[in-house]
Amino acid sequence: GAGVSQSPSNKVTEKGKDVELRCDPISGHTALYWYRQSLGQGLEFLIYFQGNSAPDKSGLPSDRFSAERTGGSVSTLTIQRTQQEDSAVYLCASNRDYDNEQFFGPGTRLTVL
Amino acid sequence: DAKTTQPPSMDCAEGRAANLPCNHSTISGNEYVYWYRQIHSQGPQYIIHGLKNNETNEMASLIITEDRKSSTLILPHATLRDTAVYYCIVRVLYNQGGKLIFGQGTELSVKP
Repeated sequence: GAGVSQSPSNKVTEKGKDVELRCDPISGHTALYWYRQSLGQGLEFLIYFQGNSAPDKSGLPSDRFSAERTGGSVSTLTIQRTQQEDSAVYLCASNRDYDNEQFFGPGTRLTVL
Repeated sequence: DAKTTQPPSMDCAEGRAANLPCNHSTISGNEYVYWYRQIHSQGPQYIIHGLKNNETNEMASLIITEDRKSSTLILPHATLRDTAVYYCIVRVLYNQGGKLIFGQGTELSVKP
């Protein structure tokens, strides 16, 4: 079946603009995660959704970052007033409840000029 | 979640076994050892996990020492496609919704 998909695959934006990144998890997966991977920081957790709720937002680096999930499916990560340090690959993952394996999407490469 | 220590890089000859070590000396009794890998320009991929018994699947074997303070991931016959960064992660099963805390990993280069 289809895996986790993310769009766009690449996004170039100017400093100060807002961006939205989309994640389509595997159908039936109730848990959804956002991570980001940058050269200086490695792979870091951002936020976790269980259904449409986000019980763990501890990894969001600032209030410019927000995310939502609707219908227990698609999730959108929004970054407002982007900064150059936001440049990174943003990865989405999903899994079923009590499943050991997280399935990752291919990521969105964000470049802030 | 307990901290892990891995060598930053390793080389392996194609067709030979790749043995990737991980130290997790502060592991708790209810923490599992997970391995993921990330091939260049792709998202991470689950490999295997275990608690205290050795585990094997179609991708790899996981050997956990009796005191659980270290483990080794074994790729029995490494191929060029196994070149990737390998992450050893220790966490309580389903803790905090199952988020993964990645360290720096080991960059494995499989050479012809």
